Amino acid sequence: ETGVTQTPRHLVMGMTNKKSLKCEQHLGHNAMYWYKQSAKKPLELMFVYSLEERVENNSVPSRFSPECPNSSHLFLHLHTLQPEDSALYLCASSQDYLRDAGHSPLHFGNGTRLTVT
Amino acid sequence: AQTVTQSQPEMSVQEAETVTLSCTYDTSESDYYLFWYKQPPSRQMILVIRQEAYKQQNATENRFSVNFQKAAKSFSLKISDSQLGDAAMYFCAYRSAYGGSQGNLIFGKGTKLSVKP
Repeated sequence: ETGVTQTPRHLVMGMTNKKSLKCEQHLGHNAMYWYKQSAKKPLELMFVYSLEERVENNSVPSRFSPECPNSSHLFLHLHTLQPEDSALYLCASSQDYLRDAGHSPLHFGNGTRLTVT
Repeated sequence: AQTVTQSQPEMSVQEAETVTLSCTYDTSESDYYLFWYKQPPSRQMILVIRQEAYKQQNATENRFSVNFQKAAKSFSLKISDSQLGDAAMYFCAYRSAYGGSQGNLIFGKGTKLSVKP
């Protein structure tokens, strides 16, 4: 059983739709992340939240809008997506964003498989 | 900028045999961590093993071990006594020892491992 839960597991949406991806972590962590995993490409870090504040936005188009209402929940709001946005979206959490990597490993969810038609 | 390269898109191993997955990386930092993650069909990224760069001893976790060659910037994963459940995508990842944006995970493109019964 994973400590990081993502819903939905699969999502198909048209380019004019608005949808949201949800991530919840039950580990008491302070940092949460959105990654995009496309075929034959390395995982791409999209956003990082630390203590509910966005600390990184890696040149992600504005059609992706993250929200972190509290340290346990993270959303990714989607609107007017393009077919090339089809990918697996992975959420992760870690104890502390600012502590060194050895003390704060990432825990991942099972991802949401997004298909944009 | 750091990069991680996995030169084997796919590998295959016979059940109970040993297989080695390759990974090289490029960095100018002296203090960092290296990881191998496994992503089975369930899609969750599971940490398999990690290595601290300042440790000369190679990390081991049961049937999984690494060959860390710091000077050559090489970090291969050896899986002994391969089992059907080892079939998955394997990702090599680098993370600076520092927290914050410097400590973000950098992934390779992955190696798909098949295990033949």
